[in-house]
Amino acid sequence: DAGVIQSPRHEVTEMGQEVTLRCKPISGHNSLFWYRQTMMRGLELLIYFNNNVPIDDSGMPEDRFSAKMPNASFSTLKIQPSEPRDSAVYFCASTGQLNQPQHFGDGTRLSIL
Amino acid sequence: DAKTTQPPSMDCAEGRAANLPCNHSTISGNEYVYWYRQIHSQGPQYIIHGLKNNETNEMASLIITEDRKSSTLILPHATLRDTAVYYCIVRGASGTYKYIFGTGTRLKVLA
Repeated sequence: DAGVIQSPRHEVTEMGQEVTLRCKPISGHNSLFWYRQTMMRGLELLIYFNNNVPIDDSGMPEDRFSAKMPNASFSTLKIQPSEPRDSAVYFCASTGQLNQPQHFGDGTRLSIL
Repeated sequence: DAKTTQPPSMDCAEGRAANLPCNHSTISGNEYVYWYRQIHSQGPQYIIHGLKNNETNEMASLIITEDRKSSTLILPHATLRDTAVYYCIVRGASGTYKYIFGTGTRLKVLA
């Protein structure tokens, strides 16, 4: 079975540029999560979707961050404009039924210069 | 969501059982306990979860105390590849899907 697929695996870009991270959840899963991990703050939830609808975006740091889920098999997390403090590993996870565990992708390591 | 407390680090000899404790004294009756681990900067890997009863799978065993205020993850025969950060998470059974990750326990398996 294919797991959660994230792309790109690594992204290096200059401050001010737009960054788009992509995620394909496990087929059949109806909930999708975006997390960010830094040394200072650990793993923190940014936003999650249920049935393609954003449910809780309270973790999104500021308006420069936006996330979409146009269909059940694809989601994007966009940062515009990017800043050096956005450098982190961004993970996507998905799950199906209530109480079932979330399954994580391999992450995107983002470096903003 | 209930908060969890874990020791920051533990060592275990290779081939021995690794017992990782987690305190979740404010857990509610309908909240599950989940365990994940993260090796280097890979994505967190699901290990096991439970509500009341002890659980076992091919990776580990989960022992939940009768009052559900604490649990222990047991890796029966630790290998070097089990060196990782282990996270204990408590999440509600309804409404929110949110995981709140703590700082976890850094397990080092020694040769």
